[in-house]
Amino acid sequence: SQQGEEDPQALSIQEGENATMNCSYKTSINNLQWYRQNSGRGLVHLILIRSNEREKHSGRLRVTLDTSKKSSSLLITASRAADTASYFCATDANDYKLSFGAGTTVTVRA
Amino acid sequence: EPEVTQTPSHQVTQMGQEVILRCVPISNHLYFYWYRQILGQKVEFLVSFYNNEISEKSEIFDDQFSVERPDGSNFTLKIRSTKLEDSAMYFCASSVEPGELFFGEGSRLTVL
Repeated sequence: SQQGEEDPQALSIQEGENATMNCSYKTSINNLQWYRQNSGRGLVHLILIRSNEREKHSGRLRVTLDTSKKSSSLLITASRAADTASYFCATDANDYKLSFGAGTTVTVRA
Repeated sequence: EPEVTQTPSHQVTQMGQEVILRCVPISNHLYFYWYRQILGQKVEFLVSFYNNEISEKSEIFDDQFSVERPDGSNFTLKIRSTKLEDSAMYFCASSVEPGELFFGEGSRLTVL
């Protein structure tokens, strides 16, 4: 299986702090994506990083990818209460299927 | 903003009954997917659909599952004879091209 695995499983931070979570995967990928899921809701796409990219930014999000270590990290800067959610990495080996990790649950305390 | 819509939001059914979950993907999207998430577990891939045929399916997607795009707008998942272990949140997704997926809010299926 090439599923991504996130670390840590859960993270609790104070509003304004940064949150970092990591994803490791097992096989070669075309790209890696991060999604957010608020409790009981659908998944929302955050960012996609291609296998030939090393870093990508989108607003307060920063994603890195190290294909030699088969790992990625998601950094959320200056966290807000609204960032409270579960965050999933998803990898693909082909065009038709994403494999999701178990997710990191982030709680941002006011 | 265009979105993927799913109905019903929650369905309760008896074991052995047939269930159809419906999805309206974003109108200009070409790739369609079903995923499921058992409570507290990972989001699992079920099936992808492109050019009016299944492009890939997982081992979960056995003979009791089927998908259909009966017209230009709907994409359905049918479970022929539900089992207790089919209880989960089922997510439909669509995309213009492989890559960023747009997910619906999900249909919660409870099998009693």
